[in-house]
Amino acid sequence: ELKVEQNPLFLSMQEGKNYTIYCNYSTTSDRLYWYRQDPGKSLESLFVLLSNGAVKQEGRLMASLDTKARLSTLHITAAVHDLSATYFCAVDIRGGADGLTFGKGTHLIIQP
Amino acid sequence: DAGVIQSPRHEVTEMGQEVTLRCKPISGHNSLFWYRQTMMRGLELLIYFNNNVPIDDSGMPEDRFSAKMPNASFSTLKIQPSEPRDSAVYFCASKRTGKSYEQYFGPGTRLTVT
Repeated sequence: ELKVEQNPLFLSMQEGKNYTIYCNYSTTSDRLYWYRQDPGKSLESLFVLLSNGAVKQEGRLMASLDTKARLSTLHITAAVHDLSATYFCAVDIRGGADGLTFGKGTHLIIQP
Repeated sequence: DAGVIQSPRHEVTEMGQEVTLRCKPISGHNSLFWYRQTMMRGLELLIYFNNNVPIDDSGMPEDRFSAKMPNASFSTLKIQPSEPRDSAVYFCASKRTGKSYEQYFGPGTRLTVT
């Protein structure tokens, strides 16, 4: 059974600081996804990582994938309040046409 | 593009009643997924379809749950009879086939069973 673990599950930080969210998964996969969810809202796709060593950046967020370590990271640079949300990583293991297995999410609060 | 459309957005029903949730995927997407989100269990995949055919329903919790996709533009998730533990947000998502494409999620249906 595929397991996806995120840490931390809760994170409170100040604006301007840097931090990293970690996502470990238990089965070989070269496809990892990061989503953002605001309270009471749906999931918004942030990044799709498709190969070992993949790195993608959008604004203050950067995601990377190490398939050998079965680890992805989401790095936040100089955090701003608008990035407060819950961040999920998710993995699929069979060709991209399958459903996703999600981590429990990291609830991020960025204080002004 | 209108995005994934779900209806209703909110549903409150009494235990034992039948509930039907509806989803219209993004045009041109040939994979459709149903997920459930609760505080206790997080986001769980219930079932998914490729080209209207159910591929994996191992996540459907019980026989009370059923899903259909009669055509490329419509899917339903039915719960009969409903129970309080079915209370959750149910998301529908769709994507194009191929590993480089991500899933796009609908707004969700918040179901409350009293």
